[in-house]
Amino acid sequence: SQKIEQNSEALNIQEGKTATLTCNYTNYSPAYLQWYRQDPGRGPVFLLLIRENEKEKRKERLKVTFDTTLKQSLFHITASQPADSATYLCALDRGYGQNFVFGPGTRLSVLP
Amino acid sequence: GAVVSQHPSRVICKSGTSVKIECRSLDFQATTMFWYRQFPKKSLMLMATSNEGSKATYEQGVEKDKFLINHASLTLSTLTVTSAHPEDSSFYICSARLAGYTDTQYFGPGTRLTVL
Repeated sequence: SQKIEQNSEALNIQEGKTATLTCNYTNYSPAYLQWYRQDPGRGPVFLLLIRENEKEKRKERLKVTFDTTLKQSLFHITASQPADSATYLCALDRGYGQNFVFGPGTRLSVLP
Repeated sequence: GAVVSQHPSRVICKSGTSVKIECRSLDFQATTMFWYRQFPKKSLMLMATSNEGSKATYEQGVEKDKFLINHASLTLSTLTVTSAHPEDSSFYICSARLAGYTDTQYFGPGTRLTVL
């Protein structure tokens, strides 16, 4: 069966450290994978997209990797800040023109 | 750019009534809009895909007669929850896809529905 998993439901880290979130999938062949941030009571906000032929993508303090062999994406936030505290969702496409399927999310808390 | 709005942001209604939620793309045309439902501390569950000018495509298990979707223009889709029950209480989020792009979706801020 098809499945998307994110490594943990909740993750606490100290301010200034690097947060690493994991997204694993089974029985999908996505052409790309996306990461979103969602704050409580708000809609998701797009952060980064990485395509299957890309190994790594960066945007400011964010870095995403995509390993289609391992069927895994890693999402890193360097020099984390309390303002980074939110739920982070990975999403992958189900095929051309189709919608995304979302992972369950990881609730990140950056402690001052 | 690429802003999506939803209205209302919160709504409380009595059981048996119908509620309409609007999703608008403010500064772009969206040939496709999506409706999601999210329970507390859970991920987004796709309910239906709405294409302008045609009938919506519903995901398995979603009652199309209960969740009526209309996508009358390139900037507006509506979700009507008919004969609402307390179990319909949830956070409803729409997203819109830029015309011509398949991999870019912009999400609305969500609508919190509470059915008493």
